Amino acid sequence: AQSVTQPDIHITVSEGASLELRCNYSYGATPYLFWYVQSPGQGLQLLLKYFSGDTLVQGIKGFEAEFKRSQSSFNLRKPSVHWSDAAEYFCAVVNSGGYQKVTFGTGTKLQVIP
Amino acid sequence: SQTIHQWPATLVQPVGSPLSLECTVEGTSNPNLYWYRQAAGRGLQLLFYSVGIGQISSEVPQNLSASRPQDRQFILSSKKLLLSDSGFYLCACGHLNSNQPQHFGDGTRLSIL
Repeated sequence: AQSVTQPDIHITVSEGASLELRCNYSYGATPYLFWYVQSPGQGLQLLLKYFSGDTLVQGIKGFEAEFKRSQSSFNLRKPSVHWSDAAEYFCAVVNSGGYQKVTFGTGTKLQVIP
Repeated sequence: SQTIHQWPATLVQPVGSPLSLECTVEGTSNPNLYWYRQAAGRGLQLLFYSVGIGQISSEVPQNLSASRPQDRQFILSSKKLLLSDSGFYLCACGHLNSNQPQHFGDGTRLSIL
């Protein structure tokens, strides 16, 4: 069965500092991976996605993520965090067929301090 | 592009009362539709999914039910709410055999008193 682990429940960074949010997945085949962001009281917005090809994918809002098959990881990064990046971030893996079962991690809440 | 509408945005209900949350989708046809619940610190839990009108699959046993009376309408219901039904409910849209990401509505915050 597919699963996603986000080991950090809560992360605090200073504005302007770099950010890395960790995501580890378990899936039997080549995974399709996503990162979503959720602002308080809002739905989920897609940041970026990985299907195949280049293992470094660029997303919106200056985010990027790197797929590392050997480590079963798909970590999200941003070189310089802005106060508006404070939100909760979810990593997700989707199966490659059928009804499109998506498994989400439990999320990482990001706090940005001035 | 797809747009997902959910209403109401916020709902406060007493224990034992009925529930009806609605989700409608624009900009696509024959979508897969999903209901998720998000409880504090527990991520997203898939409750129901539907691949077509009248077709509902339940992922977890619970006090809730879902219906899909039209292609782009998905309803989450309960006859008698429990305290444990409190949470943030999200509707999502995807497509069969697709690796494209799901799109989400803005959610409904349900508080049970």
